[in-house]
Parts: sequence; structure tokens; C-alpha cells
Amino acid sequence: GQNIDQPTEMTATEGAIVQINCTYQTSGFNGLFWYQQHAGEAPTFLSYNVLDGLEEKGRFSSFLSRSKGYSYLLLKELQMKDSASYLCAVFLSYNTDKLIFGTGTRLQVFP
Amino acid sequence: DADVTQTPRNRITKTGKRIMLECSQTKGHDRMYWYRQDPGLGLRLIYYSFDVKDINKGEISDGYSVSRQAQAKFSLSLESAIPNQTALYFCATSGTDYEQYFGPGTRLTVT
Repeated sequence: GQNIDQPTEMTATEGAIVQINCTYQTSGFNGLFWYQQHAGEAPTFLSYNVLDGLEEKGRFSSFLSRSKGYSYLLLKELQMKDSASYLCAVFLSYNTDKLIFGTGTRLQVFP
Repeated sequence: DADVTQTPRNRITKTGKRIMLECSQTKGHDRMYWYRQDPGLGLRLIYYSFDVKDINKGEISDGYSVSRQAQAKFSLSLESAIPNQTALYFCATSGTDYEQYFGPGTRLTVT
């Protein structure tokens, strides 16, 4: 079976840093995606990690440890517009292009 | 113009009715997907297609069918809608970078 866990909800203050964790146990693994989704809108791509380590992209960074089945998304200098759901998704196979999504973490940023 | 479009954006229908959701893309991608999203359950894959002649079931295909009319068009049908098919439906495409690009979603309510 496929299992992807992430916290259901998190809160943080504007200007702060927040880390959203994701753990996975899947039958295959060829990388991990993070998507952002504002309420009622389409998910939009944030990052894709294939190799272990930290990848930084502006205010957002994503980390992967394949041996531990663990990833996190780090959001710095939080802004009100960062209030959204953050979806962790495992890319199972290059042959199928299938993504298995976690249930998402709803982040609320307060002033 | 949006790269991935879905019609209709909102639909209310009655139990037992047949309904079709349509998806079109201008990204030139071969791979297309249909997902449904329910609160607390995340995005779940219904069907996916690698090209016009290749269609595959996802994790929750019962009660749904699809048609890939052309590289750019992928339709999802509910032959006899039931209330537990009430959900937000997303179409997505992917290319050689494996990232999935989502349409704006169709909010379907079955009464």
C-alpha cells in the first residue's frame, strides 16, 4: 500500500518561519513534489526533489531524505498570501508518471 | 490563456443523471489525468492516459469512465451520478519534466 503522512493544520505568524513535514511509505519512489493550493483553486508546483538534500528557491526550500522516507517544506518570511494548503506527493515511477498525494497541510498565517 | 481548461466549472445534477466533464490542454503534453478531491482525503487519481490509445485506471475508477478524443482532450463521464460523487474534480497534464499542471477544477454536486 501507499502511505503519505503530513499534519492536517498548522498556524504561524507573518514574518516567521514554518516547516511542514511529510513522511512516506510507498511501493516505489522516484522523487517528491510539493504543491501549493489556495482554497477552491488548482494546485500549483512548488518543488521537486529527487536526490537527498536541501533545495532552495527564494523564500521556499524543500528537503528530502530517501533513507528516512522524509521530506519537509520550509517557508521563510511568511506572508499572508502563504495561507493555503500544501500538498506532498510521491512520484512513483517514470513509467507511469503517477503521483500519490498526501491529504495536505492547511497553513494559516496570522498578522 | 490558461494552458489547461475544464468545463463546466460548476455543475449541479440529480442522482441517476449522466454527466460529462471536459478537459482541454494547449501544452502539447501526451499524459493527462483526472483526480477528485474531497475534504480530508486529498487528491485521488481516477484515470490517466499516456496517449490517445492508452488509458489506465487509477485508484478510484469505479463509477467513472473516460475518453481521450485527441492529444489535447480528455473527458470524464459519470454514467449514473450518485451523491457520494459530489467533489472537486481536477484534470492535469504532464510532460517530460514530470511536473503535473492542473486545470482550474470542476465543482460537481449530485443531489
